[in-house]
Amino acid sequence: GQNIDQPTEMTATEGAIVQINCTYQTSGFNGLFWYQQHAGEAPTFLSYNVLDGLEEKGRFSSFLSRSKGYSYLLLKELQMKDSASYLCAVRRNAGGTSYGKLTFGQGTILTVHP
Amino acid sequence: NAGVTQTPKFRILKIGQSMTLQCTQDMNHNYMYWYRQDPGMGLKLIYYSVGAGITDKGEVPNGYNVSRSTTEDFPLRLELAAPSQTSVYFCASSSGTGGHEQYFGPGTRLTVT
Repeated sequence: GQNIDQPTEMTATEGAIVQINCTYQTSGFNGLFWYQQHAGEAPTFLSYNVLDGLEEKGRFSSFLSRSKGYSYLLLKELQMKDSASYLCAVRRNAGGTSYGKLTFGQGTILTVHP
Repeated sequence: NAGVTQTPKFRILKIGQSMTLQCTQDMNHNYMYWYRQDPGMGLKLIYYSVGAGITDKGEVPNGYNVSRSTTEDFPLRLELAAPSQTSVYFCASSSGTGGHEQYFGPGTRLTVT
């Protein structure tokens, strides 16, 4: 099976930097995804890591260490609109028709204060 | 492109009733998924499909059924609704290339009383 852990809640101040961690245990790891979900809305794709290292996309960056089973999402220059739930999801390479299935963590609710 | 659309947006069912949640995508994606999300939780996979005519169970399939007769449509059927099926249901789709990220529909909020 898979086990994905992320903090339940975090708070930060507008303009600051926040790092949301995600640890996972799985066999056949084949990619880690971050999604953003505003309250009452659908998740939207933020980033994808399959190799170790940092992927940067504007104010958002995502890091992966496969040997440690660890990822983080870094949000810079926080804005009020970044208040949302951030979901970490792991894809497992089970082959055949299982390709593409994700297992989600419970999400981290980020609140950005003025 | 409308992306992934779901109907209805909201529904209240009585215990024992049945209903079908509709999902359509116009991105020609082969892969489609149904998830449920309970309050304060992540998403749990109910069923998925890798193409027309091919479906398989996810983590929590009991009480649900699916079919995939076309690439575009992936309806989810609830038979004999139970209070435990009160949840928000999301449909998603993905292509078979690249990062394989999933695109989600707006969700259906279902209450069973």
